[in-house]
This record gives sequence, structure tokens and C-alpha cells, in this order.
Amino acid sequence: SQQGEEDPQALSIQEGENATMNCSYKTSINNLQWYRQNSGRGLVHLILIRSNEREKHSGRLRVTLDTSKKSSSLLITASRAADTASYFCATDSSASKIIFGSGTRLSIRP
Amino acid sequence: GAGVSQSPSNKVTEKGKDVELRCDPISGHTALYWYRQSLGQGLEFLIYFQGNSAPDKSGLPSDRFSAERTGGSVSTLTIQRTQQEDSAVYLCASSPHGQGRNGYTFGSGTRLTVV
Repeated sequence: SQQGEEDPQALSIQEGENATMNCSYKTSINNLQWYRQNSGRGLVHLILIRSNEREKHSGRLRVTLDTSKKSSSLLITASRAADTASYFCATDSSASKIIFGSGTRLSIRP
Repeated sequence: GAGVSQSPSNKVTEKGKDVELRCDPISGHTALYWYRQSLGQGLEFLIYFQGNSAPDKSGLPSDRFSAERTGGSVSTLTIQRTQQEDSAVYLCASSPHGQGRNGYTFGSGTRLTVV
């Protein structure tokens, strides 16, 4: 079963707008990661936030984590056409693998 | 190598045949993972190797699936007697440590089509 679930499943916004995607999970975690996937192939690691962190920034990306609500959000500011992709959250709650959600498909309209 | 390499990039096979998928992780990465992704879906965990420890096989969907990792480096995922529902993109990832502490580096995947 999936640990993380993204919301919305699909998002279409105008270039230049901000995009916000949410992730909810079920069990306690060590960290939460966000990945981007283009063209249904390999995933690219974007950012990792640890369970004792509440917010993290990387360039145009901002990630928040609320462990009391078991949720995270990924904000992409000033979106660009190249941001069009699927975005996945992944949670690490054990000493081994991380579990991926079903993803949000983001489309940036020119 | 500089990244995680997977081969072949595409594989079309007839139902009932066996297939082998290869993953060459980043040199020095002790952890290696296999995931499967069906069209438009999320990633389904299959198997995890960490150093010399026994692999975590809890995600393998049936006994037709097996994987090995030789010498702590290259890994091969084998699917025996393939079925149409095995059609998916098979993704391999590696990381310097277990526990996903630093994020994973993924290969480009093998797109398997069973006809």
C-alpha cells in the first residue's frame, strides 16, 4: 500500500504562477523527499526534509513538513514551462526502502 | 560511472518468456533498489539490497520475480514466464547509504512490454 498520497492528482497553471502540491502519509517518518519525473522515466531527487525540520528551501522550491498532521507541501514559485513533470513525495519510515506516493502531474501553460 | 545505468532501455518480449534487466549503480553506493511503475502510476517497491545484508524482498509480487546483486555492484532483476501484467517501467536506484538519508539516484529505467 502507498505510504504517501499526493494532492491534487493533476494541476495546470499559467507560466509564472506558483504551484503547490501536497502529500499526506500515514506512519511516523525519518524524512520525506520530493522527486520530479519527466517523460515517465527516471526520477530526479529534488529535496529532502527531515522529521525535525519544518521548512526547507532550494532555489524556487519550498518544502514544508507538519508531522502532527502527517503532511508536506511542495511549492514551486514563478513556474516555468520546464517545470512540467510529475512530482512524487516519498517517505522513509524504516531502515530500508522509501515508499512513493502516486504523484501529481503538473502542467505549465505558456 | 557518473550515474545509474540500466539496460536495456526498452524490451519487448512474448508472454511466457524470461527476461533479465540490468542495473549498474553509482560506484561506491552500497544501497540498490528496484521499483516498478505502471503507466501513469506511482512507484511500487520491489527489492532492496544493502551491502552484504540479506536483501529486503518484501515487494516482489510473485515467485516469478527474483533479483541478485553480484559483488555488491551490478544487479539483475529476472522475471520468469512473463505475463502481460508485468508490462511496466522498471526503475533502479542507488544511494550511498541505506535509510534513504541522502535521496536516491535513479536510472532511466527499462520499459518492459509483454505481448
